Amino acid sequence: DQQVKQNSPSLSVQEGRISILNCDYTNSMFDYFLWYKKYPAEGPTFLISISSIKDKNEDGRFTVFLNKSAKHLSLHIVPSQPGDSAVYFCAAIPWAGSYQLTFGKGTKLSVIP
Amino acid sequence: NAGVTQTPKFQVLKTGQSMTLQCAQDMNHNSMYWYRQDPGMGLRLIYYSASEGTTDKGEVPNGYNVSRLNKREFSLRLESAAPSQTSVYFCASSGSLSSYEQYFGPGTRLTVT
Repeated sequence: DQQVKQNSPSLSVQEGRISILNCDYTNSMFDYFLWYKKYPAEGPTFLISISSIKDKNEDGRFTVFLNKSAKHLSLHIVPSQPGDSAVYFCAAIPWAGSYQLTFGKGTKLSVIP
Repeated sequence: NAGVTQTPKFQVLKTGQSMTLQCAQDMNHNSMYWYRQDPGMGLRLIYYSASEGTTDKGEVPNGYNVSRLNKREFSLRLESAAPSQTSVYFCASSGSLSSYEQYFGPGTRLTVT
C-alpha cells in the first residue's frame, strides 16, 4: 500500500514557464514533507521541506505548498530552467524523531530549452 | 568534506555469492540508512541505524544484514545474492533527532546474474 503517491511519472515544461509537481499521501500521521531531486547516476539531494504546521515554504525559485485537509502537496518551480531536468521525489516522515522517510515513486521533469 | 561515500560504484555477482557494500560519512551524523531503488519505484528503506551501536529493520530487510562499525561507517551485507537483489543501493545519513534531512551517497549499482 503506497502511502506517498506521485501519480505523474513524467512532466515536460518549456524553459521559463512554471513546473508543478504533485504528491498525495494517505497517512494522516505524516508530520514533515520533503522534496528530493535526483540526477542520473547520482544520489538524491535535498531540495526543500515543509512542516505540517505550515501551508507554504519558499526557497528561491522553489515553493512547496501543503494542503493537509486534502493530503496533498505540490512543488512549484518558477521559472523552470534546463538544469532543473531531473527526477523529483516527494517524501514524508511520520512523527518527530522518526527516522523513516517514505518516498514516492518520483516524477521525471524535462525542461525544454 | 566528501559527504557520504560508497564503495564499490558497480558490482556484478553470481547467484549465491556474498558481498559487502561499504558506506562512510564525514559529517559527524548520528543516523545512517541503506535504501534500494528499483526501476519505476521510489527508494525503499532496507535498514537504518539511529545512532552508533543500534540498527533496525526498514521496509525491505529480508536477505540483508548491516553493521554499524563506528559513527562514520555503516555496511550492508548480502550473504547469498539473488537476482531479486539487482538494484541501485544508496546509503544516507542525517544529523540528529531534529534534522529530518538525509544526505545521500552516489549509489552502488549491483547486478546479480
